[in-house]
Amino acid sequence: DTEVTQTPKHLVMGMTNKKSLKCEQHMGHRAMYWYKQKAKKPPELMFVYSYEKLSINESVPSRFSPECPNSSLLNLHLHALQPEDSALYLCASSQPGGRASSYEQYFGPGTRLTVT
Amino acid sequence: EDQVTQSPEALRLQEGESSSLNCSYTVSGLRGLFWYRQDPGKGPEFLFTLYSAGEEKEKERLKATLTKKESFLHITAPKPEDSATYLCAVGNRDDKIIFGKGTRLHILP
Repeated sequence: DTEVTQTPKHLVMGMTNKKSLKCEQHMGHRAMYWYKQKAKKPPELMFVYSYEKLSINESVPSRFSPECPNSSLLNLHLHALQPEDSALYLCASSQPGGRASSYEQYFGPGTRLTVT
Repeated sequence: EDQVTQSPEALRLQEGESSSLNCSYTVSGLRGLFWYRQDPGKGPEFLFTLYSAGEEKEKERLKATLTKKESFLHITAPKPEDSATYLCAVGNRDDKIIFGKGTRLHILP
């Protein structure tokens, strides 16, 4: 099973709302990632969790708050977003052990976020 | 600064017309080079991992190769269903993954 699931598939939120994106994998992977992707652009790395600990934060604004409750789940809490934050948000995971950048990633289908 | 450059940006081929996509990279301590396929509105799908110069991997009509400065994704006798954006990414020694901008491939029937 090489599936990463993400919910919801689509999300529309106002600038004053609080919402959360969820990601789940059951491949035993111990590295999990959040990416942001704008149309016709490559994915931009936001956060990396390795063994449930935040290992990389790519200078992401504090209105994005990641959480890794256990080895299978990854959340992204959203608060006071701006219209320019509208994008496809992708979750990915990769193999346990070693360095996360040495292993291929398995991506979920993404959450299409629109901020109004 | 670590960088990944893919060329061409877009490529239109007739069905059956073989070609190659290029990924040039400069990276501090290559941990791995990865090829992904992405269909519109979907997450990238993993294709290949290459670790060292001279390495080659094949899957159906695709073959990926690696040198010290670049990687090629060769596509042989493509079909319309091979149409997608192909992304190249590298992992560096700081545990970061850097993606190229991708090549949009369109195969005409």
